[in-house]
Amino acid sequence: GNSVTQMEGPVTLSEEAFLTINCTYTATGYPSLFWYVQYPGEGLQLLLKATKADDKGSNKGFEATYRKETTSFHLEKGSVQVSDSAVYFCAQEEGTSYGKLTFGQGTILTVHP
Amino acid sequence: DSGVTQTPKHLITATGQRVTLRCSPRSGDLSVYWYQQSLDQGLQFLIQYYNGEERAKGNILERFSAQQFPDLHSELNLSSLELGDSALYFCASSLRPSSGGLDYEQYFGPGTRLTVT
Repeated sequence: GNSVTQMEGPVTLSEEAFLTINCTYTATGYPSLFWYVQYPGEGLQLLLKATKADDKGSNKGFEATYRKETTSFHLEKGSVQVSDSAVYFCAQEEGTSYGKLTFGQGTILTVHP
Repeated sequence: DSGVTQTPKHLITATGQRVTLRCSPRSGDLSVYWYQQSLDQGLQFLIQYYNGEERAKGNILERFSAQQFPDLHSELNLSSLELGDSALYFCASSLRPSSGGLDYEQYFGPGTRLTVT
């Protein structure tokens, strides 16, 4: 079946460091791709999304580009803050799946001052 | 605050029991989704309803069932509970059941943490 693979965590960075969290997907066709963030004790929040190849999603300094040729949607941020500490989930949704999201396993990010 | 509410926040019960989790979607959203988050399985889609009708099914066990009522709130029923059912159960809602536009973003509730002892 279709799946999403994220880089293993946890990831620990110092404040202002550069962040990359890798994500690859296996869906056929042209799925929509998402990054969700889960802060401690809270539900998931949509961070950014891209719906077609070469689209770049961006929000709060985070970016991810939909790469069809490498089936990837890596999350990047140029300068992380302590407040970015959370769990990040990559997800895909196939066009025929009526909104069903398939998530990666999640990557725990901890940012130290 | 996403606007999606879930009750209860925590639930502790024994094996073999039955529980009901409740979800109220954001005002105006017609579609409700249930997800299970556990340490070994990660975050998995269970089932989706749109305007009272089941639209999609994921890895939902036969011991689990759900429904969406005329007022659009949804309930997830878990029966004959096993230790492995201990997890965080999320409800999400969206205006419509497919992605693409802003109207279709899924908004997640805070979850119900179920502990089976």
